[in-house]
Amino acid sequence: GAVVSQHPSWVICKSGTSVKIECRSLDFQATTMFWYRQFPKQSLMLMATSNEGSKATYEQGVEKDKFLINHASLTLSTLTVTSAHPEDSSFYICSARDIAGGDNSPLHFGNGTRLTVT
Amino acid sequence: RKEVEQDPGPFNVPEGATVAFNCTYSNSASQSFFWYRQDCRKEPKLLMSVYSSGNEDGRFTAQLNRASQYISLLIRDSKLSDSATYLCVVPRWDSSASKIIFGSGTRLSIRP
Repeated sequence: GAVVSQHPSWVICKSGTSVKIECRSLDFQATTMFWYRQFPKQSLMLMATSNEGSKATYEQGVEKDKFLINHASLTLSTLTVTSAHPEDSSFYICSARDIAGGDNSPLHFGNGTRLTVT
Repeated sequence: RKEVEQDPGPFNVPEGATVAFNCTYSNSASQSFFWYRQDCRKEPKLLMSVYSSGNEDGRFTAQLNRASQYISLLIRDSKLSDSATYLCVVPRWDSSASKIIFGSGTRLSIRP
């Protein structure tokens, strides 16, 4: 089945530093990828929609200057958490949809990145 | 009204029981629906896709009621390994934005 690779799986960083998370579709192309954040015991909250070749679309309340998204190719999207603070500690998950699958195709998820900011 | 709402749970049922969850959605234009399961500290895994009136896969049955705008998930002969959080997913592919909206999830715990 379709595979989405997310890297790193976990990262610990100091407050004020930036962290980049990569999301790759390994065997399919994705014009759109989605970035979610999940706090403990809560559901996945959509942060932004990453669009290949154009600007990302951010959900209300998500700072675009803090969470930089780049979708440079049909198989790669990156999320950079800039000037990270402890409250940014969370589980970040990317997902992608195979463009060949049409509008009814399901999402494929990366294995997530657990970010801890100290 | 939230775009996607699920039974709050948690459901705690004995092994072998039948359990059902509901999920309501607000966008009547939605065409496809999905149930995912998420284990603790893991990414969601696709459980079932629901395109027409329903879908069955072994012990799992998903049903769609477009008139009432809800989908349900039925688990028969539940196993201990079914313990997880079940997420209802409703894609919204409209002209202004493509979004995948998750329900808040229903926690299921199967006891021996």
